[in-house]
Amino acid sequence: DQQVKQNSPSLSVQEGRISILNCDYTNSMFDYFLWYKKYPAEGPTFLISISSIKDKNEDGRFTVFLNKSAKHLSLHIVPSQPGDSAVYFCAASAGETSGSRLTFGEGTQLTVNP
Amino acid sequence: ETGVTQSPTHLIKTRGQQVTLRCSSQSGHNTVSWYQQALGQGPQFIFQYYREEENGRGNFPPRFSGLQFPNYSSELNVNALELDDSALYLCASSLQGMGWNEQFFGPGTRLTVL
Repeated sequence: DQQVKQNSPSLSVQEGRISILNCDYTNSMFDYFLWYKKYPAEGPTFLISISSIKDKNEDGRFTVFLNKSAKHLSLHIVPSQPGDSAVYFCAASAGETSGSRLTFGEGTQLTVNP
Repeated sequence: ETGVTQSPTHLIKTRGQQVTLRCSSQSGHNTVSWYQQALGQGPQFIFQYYREEENGRGNFPPRFSGLQFPNYSSELNVNALELDDSALYLCASSLQGMGWNEQFFGPGTRLTVL
């Protein structure tokens, strides 16, 4: 039972354009959502998060949108840069404490072409 | 401040053998979580240790076990290895407390079971 799904295994965009990565979830108990970025031979690194009481959170070029009724979130990267090329994982947690387990999606490979 | 480290980087075992993977948490962190990432999948939660006690477990059989030591380093042990145990094993450390505290991931150990 895949509770967090990223339906696009890969995405390719031009440098300077917007990258939009999507994620859907099924578990209504999830109330905290995160995006992680992973380069080869490195562990995932935290990018941005959003609590279920919000519908948008921005951090520089990165914005996460949450649509609770649709159980959908998206990550927008504007403008995209070649260094953003990595695998992006959506993750969800039931509870905001660091003690909560993370449930990850399958990941989306983003390639930003110069 | 050192980050999360894992050893070994790569490991090859045969079916039925036992393996021990090690993780050194980030300085000051009291919680460690272990994840299994199969090829083409997102990380899956195995279990978490907080102050040397197991503090939550995912859908993994008892042959997956762990330890957390007083210095907050940790081990993941897998007995009776199966071919499907081939994966990247990630540990993540965090400081459990009020509110969200980021989980910091190590680079992982790549286990191959032949």
